[in-house]
Amino acid sequence: QVQLQESGPGLVRPSGTLSLTCVVSGGSISNRNWWNWVRQSPGKGLEWMGDISHSGSANYNPSLKSRVSISVDKAKNLVSLRLNSVTVADTAVYYCARGNTSDWDYYMDVWGKGIPVTVSS
Amino acid sequence: DIQMTQSPSSLSASVGDRVTISCRASQSVTSYLNWYQHIPGKSPRLLISAASSLQSGVPSRFSGSGSGTDFTLTISNLQPEDFATYYCHQSLDIPYSFGQGTKLEIK
Repeated sequence: QVQLQESGPGLVRPSGTLSLTCVVSGGSISNRNWWNWVRQSPGKGLEWMGDISHSGSANYNPSLKSRVSISVDKAKNLVSLRLNSVTVADTAVYYCARGNTSDWDYYMDVWGKGIPVTVSS
Repeated sequence: DIQMTQSPSSLSASVGDRVTISCRASQSVTSYLNWYQHIPGKSPRLLISAASSLQSGVPSRFSGSGSGTDFTLTISNLQPEDFATYYCHQSLDIPYSFGQGTKLEIK
């Protein structure tokens, strides 16, 4: 079955760029799915950051303003997240998740294990 | 943006109990409402999609109901592995949003 694995640096300096990748295994990224990034800051709930289709059409959470960018690499079967100008408030566990659709819903049915990222000098 | 509000924020219960978690949307999300279970250190797990559709492999003691703005997750006959945080999630409008979570603890 489809599995997702996040990777990237666990420590990012303030004002720097957070870059993570999510490798999709057991299935093609080009299937009719969307690929999401969700994060959880310490002691807080889940926050949807954005998603992207296999064709590269992306949606973002306006709360992240123009700092966030999501891309797909079909050749490598992976999804990437970039978050610019990070602050300590961006310290969180970052998850990638597969978005699936039905006639009457859209849901995230497969999740990666998550990767903790700390923003600190 | 659609705001999702869960109640209660925390809940204590015993094995074998039946519990209900509520989720209210600030505007109608029709049936675009999902429920996730999150155990610390693990990935969130999709329990229910489209307000009431139980995912494959999820025990039948979990059930969901509601439409529009008011939704409910019910867990019958609580088991030790059910103690976790539960989130509702609307996927009608972008930005998608989650409730603040309901932490279910052992009494």
